[in-house]
Amino acid sequence: DIQMTQSPSSLSASVGDRVTITCQASQDITIYLNWYQQKPGKAPKLLIYDVSNLEAGVPSRFSGSGSGTDFTFTISSLQPEDIATYYCQQYDNLPFTFGQGTKLEIK
Amino acid sequence: QVQLQESGPGLVKPSETLSLTCNVSGASISSYYWSWIRQPPGKGLEWIGYVHYNGITNYNPSLKSRVTISVDTSKNQFSLKLNSVTAADTAVYYCARHRGAVAGTLFDYWGQGTLVTVSS
Repeated sequence: DIQMTQSPSSLSASVGDRVTITCQASQDITIYLNWYQQKPGKAPKLLIYDVSNLEAGVPSRFSGSGSGTDFTFTISSLQPEDIATYYCQQYDNLPFTFGQGTKLEIK
Repeated sequence: QVQLQESGPGLVKPSETLSLTCNVSGASISSYYWSWIRQPPGKGLEWIGYVHYNGITNYNPSLKSRVTISVDTSKNQFSLKLNSVTAADTAVYYCARHRGAVAGTLFDYWGQGTLVTVSS
Protein backbone atom coordinates (compact mmCIF):
# COMPACT_ATOMS: atom_id res chain seq x y z
CA ASP A 1 0.00 0.00 0.00
CA ILE A 2 1.08 3.58 -0.60
CA GLN A 3 1.43 5.38 2.73
CA MET A 4 0.35 9.02 2.81
CA THR A 5 1.93 11.07 5.58
CA GLN A 6 0.50 14.47 6.39
CA SER A 7 2.08 17.14 8.51
CA PRO A 8 1.35 18.65 10.83
CA SER A 9 -1.31 16.49 12.49
CA SER A 10 -2.83 19.60 13.99
CA LEU A 11 -2.44 23.28 13.41
CA SER A 12 -3.62 26.42 15.16
CA ALA A 13 -3.71 29.65 13.17
CA SER A 14 -5.35 33.05 13.20
CA VAL A 15 -7.95 34.39 10.83
CA GLY A 16 -6.17 35.84 7.83
CA ASP A 17 -3.09 33.64 8.22
CA ARG A 18 -1.59 31.66 5.37
CA VAL A 19 -1.82 27.97 6.23
CA THR A 20 0.18 25.17 4.63
CA ILE A 21 -0.25 21.41 5.00
CA THR A 22 2.08 18.89 3.45
CA CYS A 23 1.42 15.36 2.26
CA GLN A 24 4.17 12.91 1.42
CA ALA A 25 3.60 9.69 -0.46
CA SER A 26 5.70 6.60 0.19
CA GLN A 27 6.26 6.27 -3.57
CA ASP A 28 5.79 8.30 -6.73
CA ILE A 29 2.09 8.97 -7.36
CA THR A 30 2.68 11.51 -10.16
CA ILE A 31 -0.33 13.83 -9.97
CA TYR A 32 -2.94 11.42 -8.61
CA LEU A 33 -3.54 13.34 -5.42
CA ASN A 34 -6.76 14.88 -4.07
CA TRP A 35 -7.58 17.00 -1.01
CA TYR A 36 -10.75 16.82 1.09
CA GLN A 37 -12.18 18.95 3.88
CA GLN A 38 -14.17 17.32 6.67
CA LYS A 39 -16.15 19.29 9.22
CA PRO A 40 -17.29 17.63 12.45
CA GLY A 41 -20.16 15.22 11.93
CA LYS A 42 -20.08 15.66 8.15
CA ALA A 43 -18.85 13.70 5.19
CA PRO A 44 -15.61 14.74 3.52
CA LYS A 45 -15.92 17.32 0.77
CA LEU A 46 -13.68 17.42 -2.26
CA LEU A 47 -11.67 20.64 -2.53
CA ILE A 48 -8.82 19.96 -4.93
CA TYR A 49 -8.23 17.14 -7.41
CA ASP A 50 -5.20 16.05 -9.39
CA VAL A 51 -2.88 18.12 -7.17
CA SER A 52 -3.96 21.61 -8.13
CA ASN A 53 -7.41 21.66 -9.74
CA LEU A 54 -10.00 23.52 -7.70
CA GLU A 55 -13.36 21.81 -7.49
CA ALA A 56 -16.28 23.89 -8.76
CA GLY A 57 -17.64 26.24 -6.11
CA VAL A 58 -14.57 26.02 -3.87
CA PRO A 59 -13.12 29.40 -2.88
CA SER A 60 -9.93 30.44 -4.61
CA ARG A 61 -8.09 30.87 -1.30
CA PHE A 62 -7.58 27.09 -1.44
CA SER A 63 -4.77 25.79 -3.63
CA GLY A 64 -2.52 22.79 -4.11
CA SER A 65 0.83 22.01 -5.65
CA GLY A 66 3.46 19.31 -5.96
CA SER A 67 4.21 16.16 -7.88
CA GLY A 68 5.80 12.78 -7.40
CA THR A 69 5.94 12.22 -3.65
CA ASP A 70 5.64 15.69 -2.12
CA PHE A 71 2.50 17.78 -2.12
CA THR A 72 1.30 20.97 -0.49
CA PHE A 73 -2.15 22.30 0.34
CA THR A 74 -2.48 26.00 1.09
CA ILE A 75 -5.16 28.32 2.41
CA SER A 76 -4.02 31.81 1.47
CA SER A 77 -6.09 33.65 4.08
CA LEU A 78 -7.70 31.52 6.78
CA GLN A 79 -11.40 32.11 7.37
CA PRO A 80 -13.44 30.96 10.41
CA GLU A 81 -15.43 28.56 8.22
CA ASP A 82 -12.22 26.75 7.24
CA ILE A 83 -12.02 25.07 10.63
CA ALA A 84 -12.02 21.39 9.74
CA THR A 85 -9.81 18.37 9.25
CA TYR A 86 -8.08 18.09 5.89
CA TYR A 87 -7.12 14.83 4.18
CA CYS A 88 -5.00 14.04 1.16
CA GLN A 89 -5.85 10.94 -0.89
CA GLN A 90 -3.93 9.09 -3.59
CA TYR A 91 -5.43 7.10 -6.42
CA ASP A 92 -2.28 6.11 -8.28
CA ASN A 93 -2.42 2.58 -6.88
CA LEU A 94 -4.98 0.39 -5.20
CA PRO A 95 -5.89 0.39 -2.43
CA PHE A 96 -6.78 4.06 -2.44
CA THR A 97 -5.28 5.57 0.69
CA PHE A 98 -5.70 8.73 2.71
CA GLY A 99 -3.38 10.74 4.89
CA GLN A 100 -4.05 10.62 8.60
CA GLY A 101 -5.57 14.10 8.52
CA THR A 102 -4.61 17.60 9.66
CA LYS A 103 -6.92 19.21 12.18
CA LEU A 104 -7.05 22.95 11.72
CA GLU A 105 -8.11 25.19 14.59
CA ILE A 106 -8.46 28.92 15.09
CA LYS A 107 -5.97 30.52 17.45
CA GLN B 1 -28.80 16.74 -7.61
CA VAL B 2 -26.89 13.57 -6.82
CA GLN B 3 -27.65 12.16 -3.40
CA LEU B 4 -26.40 9.08 -1.61
CA GLN B 5 -28.04 7.70 1.52
CA GLU B 6 -26.69 4.87 3.66
CA SER B 7 -29.04 2.63 5.59
CA GLY B 8 -28.71 -0.39 7.83
CA PRO B 9 -28.45 -1.47 11.46
CA GLY B 10 -26.55 0.82 13.77
CA LEU B 11 -25.62 -2.01 16.13
CA VAL B 12 -24.08 -5.33 15.18
CA LYS B 13 -22.95 -8.11 17.50
CA PRO B 14 -19.36 -9.37 17.41
CA SER B 15 -18.78 -12.22 14.92
CA GLU B 16 -21.93 -11.30 12.99
CA THR B 17 -22.27 -9.63 9.58
CA LEU B 18 -22.52 -5.91 9.04
CA SER B 19 -24.87 -5.08 6.16
CA LEU B 20 -25.38 -1.63 4.70
CA THR B 21 -27.10 -0.29 1.61
CA CYS B 22 -26.46 2.94 -0.25
CA ASN B 23 -29.42 4.32 -2.16
CA VAL B 24 -28.45 6.58 -5.05
CA SER B 25 -30.66 9.29 -6.49
CA GLY B 26 -29.96 11.85 -9.18
CA ALA B 27 -27.52 9.59 -11.03
CA SER B 28 -27.65 6.21 -12.69
CA ILE B 29 -25.73 3.60 -10.80
CA SER B 30 -24.85 2.06 -14.17
CA SER B 31 -22.66 4.99 -15.16
CA TYR B 32 -20.09 5.09 -12.40
CA TYR B 33 -17.94 3.25 -9.91
CA TRP B 34 -19.09 3.31 -6.29
CA SER B 35 -17.13 2.91 -3.08
CA TRP B 36 -17.50 2.28 0.61
CA ILE B 37 -15.20 4.19 2.96
CA ARG B 38 -15.15 4.05 6.72
CA GLN B 39 -13.91 6.18 9.59
CA PRO B 40 -13.47 4.86 13.14
CA PRO B 41 -14.47 7.39 15.80
CA GLY B 42 -11.83 10.11 16.04
CA LYS B 43 -9.67 8.51 13.35
CA GLY B 44 -8.92 8.82 9.65
CA LEU B 45 -10.51 7.49 6.48
CA GLU B 46 -10.11 3.95 5.17
CA TRP B 47 -11.22 2.88 1.72
CA ILE B 48 -13.04 -0.46 1.87
CA GLY B 49 -13.70 -1.26 -1.77
CA TYR B 50 -15.57 -0.38 -4.94
CA VAL B 51 -18.11 -1.90 -7.31
CA HIS B 52 -19.10 -1.23 -10.89
CA TYR B 53 -22.55 -2.01 -12.27
CA ASN B 54 -21.07 -4.76 -14.46
CA GLY B 55 -19.97 -6.58 -11.33
CA ILE B 56 -16.34 -5.52 -11.22
CA THR B 57 -15.18 -5.17 -7.64
CA ASN B 58 -11.96 -4.34 -5.89
CA TYR B 59 -11.35 -4.55 -2.16
CA ASN B 60 -8.80 -3.26 0.27
CA PRO B 61 -6.48 -6.23 0.97
CA SER B 62 -6.77 -5.47 4.68
CA LEU B 63 -10.48 -6.40 4.55
CA LYS B 64 -10.71 -8.51 1.40
CA SER B 65 -11.35 -11.82 3.15
CA ARG B 66 -14.42 -10.41 4.93
CA VAL B 67 -15.95 -7.95 2.43
CA THR B 68 -18.51 -8.24 -0.31
CA ILE B 69 -19.79 -5.23 -2.27
CA SER B 70 -22.63 -5.73 -4.70
CA VAL B 71 -24.88 -3.61 -6.89
CA ASP B 72 -28.59 -3.74 -7.65
CA THR B 73 -29.22 -1.76 -10.81
CA SER B 74 -32.99 -2.24 -10.61
CA LYS B 75 -33.06 -0.37 -7.32
CA ASN B 76 -30.20 2.01 -8.14
CA GLN B 77 -28.35 1.00 -5.01
CA PHE B 78 -25.27 -0.86 -3.87
CA SER B 79 -24.49 -2.75 -0.73
CA LEU B 80 -21.73 -3.67 1.69
CA LYS B 81 -21.40 -6.84 3.69
CA LEU B 82 -18.62 -7.24 6.21
CA ASN B 83 -18.57 -10.51 8.08
CA SER B 84 -17.01 -11.68 11.34
CA VAL B 85 -17.02 -8.17 12.75
CA THR B 86 -15.17 -7.11 15.87
CA ALA B 87 -15.06 -3.90 17.89
CA ALA B 88 -12.36 -2.68 15.50
CA ASP B 89 -15.03 -2.44 12.79
CA THR B 90 -16.94 0.20 14.75
CA ALA B 91 -16.94 3.22 12.46
CA VAL B 92 -18.93 5.68 10.45
CA TYR B 93 -19.47 4.06 7.07
CA TYR B 94 -19.75 6.28 4.00
CA CYS B 95 -20.77 5.44 0.48
CA ALA B 96 -19.27 7.57 -2.26
CA ARG B 97 -19.28 8.01 -6.04
CA HIS B 98 -16.19 7.98 -8.23
CA ARG B 99 -16.04 10.85 -10.70
CA GLY B 100 -16.18 9.78 -14.33
CA ALA B 101 -16.46 6.30 -15.71
CA VAL B 102 -13.15 5.16 -14.25
CA ALA B 103 -12.15 3.37 -11.10
CA GLY B 104 -9.09 5.41 -10.24
CA THR B 105 -10.22 8.93 -9.52
CA LEU B 106 -11.70 11.13 -6.85
CA PHE B 107 -14.82 10.79 -4.72
CA ASP B 108 -17.16 13.59 -5.70
CA TYR B 109 -20.38 12.71 -3.90
CA TRP B 110 -20.65 11.17 -0.45
CA GLY B 111 -23.47 9.94 1.70
CA GLN B 112 -23.93 11.53 5.11
CA GLY B 113 -22.45 8.47 6.77
CA THR B 114 -23.92 5.98 9.20
CA LEU B 115 -22.40 4.93 12.50
CA VAL B 116 -22.17 1.20 13.02
CA THR B 117 -21.22 0.03 16.48
CA VAL B 118 -20.04 -3.51 17.08
CA SER B 119 -21.01 -4.57 20.57
CA SER B 120 -22.78 -7.35 22.37
